[in-house]
Amino acid sequence: GNSVTQMEGPVTLSEEAFLTINCTYTATGYPSLFWYVQYPGEGLQLLLKATKADDKGSNKGFEATYRKETTSFHLEKGSVQVSDSAVYFCALHNTNAGKSTFGDGTTLTVKP
Amino acid sequence: EAGVVQSPRYKIIEKKQPVAFWCNPISGHNTLYWYRQNLGQGPELLIRYENEEAVDDSQLPKDRFSAERLKGVDSTLKIQPAELGDSAVYLCASSLRGESEAFFGQGTRLTVV
Repeated sequence: GNSVTQMEGPVTLSEEAFLTINCTYTATGYPSLFWYVQYPGEGLQLLLKATKADDKGSNKGFEATYRKETTSFHLEKGSVQVSDSAVYFCALHNTNAGKSTFGDGTTLTVKP
Repeated sequence: EAGVVQSPRYKIIEKKQPVAFWCNPISGHNTLYWYRQNLGQGPELLIRYENEEAVDDSQLPKDRFSAERLKGVDSTLKIQPAELGDSAVYLCASSLRGESEAFFGQGTRLTVV
């Protein structure tokens, strides 16, 4: 079956630090990969996505590259801000099954 | 354009009581999902609709959970009777048919006491 494993949190960084949140997956076929962000009290928002191997998704300074050989989709940002504090979820979408599988989320806290 | 709208935002009920959640998806989105998110975990799919048809309800606990999507637009998820273990955030999401990107509502936080 499909599964997503992401780095356990919480992660605490100082402002302007470099961020990496690891994500690996197992899936049948060729899924699309996503990072969602959930701010306190809100629903999930799509942060970025990649639909095929070697694609790079990017948004708001965050990046992630679809690595089929390592089945990974690690999230990175060069310089985090306090406003980036949130829970980040890695997910895959299996088109054949028509549904998404999520990781357990990584809580990021950025301190000024 | 309005996003996915869910109500209520919060609900506290006693165990064995019924509860219902409502979702209005983004206009034109054929696909509607209900997810359950337990504390500290990612969302898990309960049911997926394509228009008014439930095409995947394999993870829905059918002894106490039910859902409907009359006319293929709004949807209601019901629990009867609720148990303590049902405390969670219930998320609704929608997407265009065949699209992998889903748009989520703010969720309903259910607390069963």
